[in-house]
Amino acid sequence: SQQGEEDPQALSIQEGENATMNCSYKTSINNLQWYRQNSGRGLVHLILIRSNEREKHSGRLRVTLDTSKKSSSLLITASRAADTASYFCATPEIKAAGNKLTFGGGTRVLVKP
Amino acid sequence: KAGVTQTPRYLIKTRGQQVTLSCSPISGHRSVSWYQQTPGQGLQFLFEYFSETQRNKGNFPGRFSGRQFSNSRSEMNVSTLELGDSALYLCASSMGLGIHETQYFGPGTRLLVL
Repeated sequence: SQQGEEDPQALSIQEGENATMNCSYKTSINNLQWYRQNSGRGLVHLILIRSNEREKHSGRLRVTLDTSKKSSSLLITASRAADTASYFCATPEIKAAGNKLTFGGGTRVLVKP
Repeated sequence: KAGVTQTPRYLIKTRGQQVTLSCSPISGHRSVSWYQQTPGQGLQFLFEYFSETQRNKGNFPGRFSGRQFSNSRSEMNVSTLELGDSALYLCASSMGLGIHETQYFGPGTRLLVL
């Protein structure tokens, strides 16, 4: 199973509403990242939050991190049609065989005008 | 600064052929990571190169290989293509090793294997 899992898998909201998605992970991490992907394109980095941070803001985005619950949330406020995309959380996975950045399955967000 | 570029953007191959994909990182970035994205498996890590050395490797068969040149440009090769290799292949660059830093992604190469 994946290191990071997003919830919900899909979300449909009206323009102007807020969108919240969650990410849960399994092992201890020192950072967690959120990315956005517009249909069939490359990923765009949104926010990196470190394990000693509880909350971080970037424009209309707010990310929280709860290391005791091994979970993070991404809130998009006052959504716009242009926010329609898939959102992924990514966590580092450190193993003897090698390290990698592991992405969850993503949350597909549809913002209706 | 110019972003990460990938070539070609689209590719159609037949089973059994081989393919080479190219990635040019952001200037000054020394790490290049490759990912495979499919509807069924999502985003999966292939490997990461840093200073011309493979530093990390995902769980893919040996048909998938890569290399990095002294200018940090990277190539990925898939030999003996299978239908299941059809996917969007993404590369990402970062200043240092990718698991601790922001990764900047290219637009991807969409590979279709017939």
